[in-house]
Amino acid sequence: KAGVTQTPRYLIKTRGQQVTLSCSPISGHRSVSWYQQTPGQGLQFLFEYFSETQRNKGNFPGRFSGRQFSNSRSEMNVSTLELGDSALYLCASSPALGDEQYFGPGTRLTVT
Amino acid sequence: GQNIDQPTEMTATEGAIVQINCTYQTSGFNGLFWYQQHAGEAPTFLSYNVLDGLEEKGRFSSFLSRSKGYSYLLLKELQMKDSASYLCALYNFNKFYFGSGTKLNVKP
Repeated sequence: KAGVTQTPRYLIKTRGQQVTLSCSPISGHRSVSWYQQTPGQGLQFLFEYFSETQRNKGNFPGRFSGRQFSNSRSEMNVSTLELGDSALYLCASSPALGDEQYFGPGTRLTVT
Repeated sequence: GQNIDQPTEMTATEGAIVQINCTYQTSGFNGLFWYQQHAGEAPTFLSYNVLDGLEEKGRFSSFLSRSKGYSYLLLKELQMKDSASYLCALYNFNKFYFGSGTKLNVKP
């Protein structure tokens, strides 16, 4: 089976812009979670989707949003980018809620 | 959060055994997971404990004691490629909570 894929792998944006990141889960996996990883804060949970529904959301401002499509692919959007949004954004898929997660390679976002 | 604590960094010698501890302050969680993350790469799943006790997977074993609020990851016959960060994570209230990770340095 192919692993979790994320696009793009690298992205450079300026403050105030918005960005959309994409994630394709492992075939058959219905749960997709998103994380932000920074050296200082470690892995921080953004949100989890299951069957096109957001099941839970982390402590991030409303500028961070996401969605899941019927084929389980997911996107996350960050609007009005700030310098502090520079991070590695990881997507993980799992067969069901609470199962072990399989991570994609991540999207490295740099905001200048 | 779930107040998950792990040592920041550890050093061990190739061929040795190392134990990486993870303590937490919560109860009633669904499961405890361990992940390995090499520098510049994504985390990869290593092990999962639901019940108390030891789960063995080759050179890696993970132990959970819910009553004592801790888990550990045991790595045997250390190899240089085991140099990585090891993340402990809890699944609770429909969320994964990750510790900050333990950076393991394996030296010859």
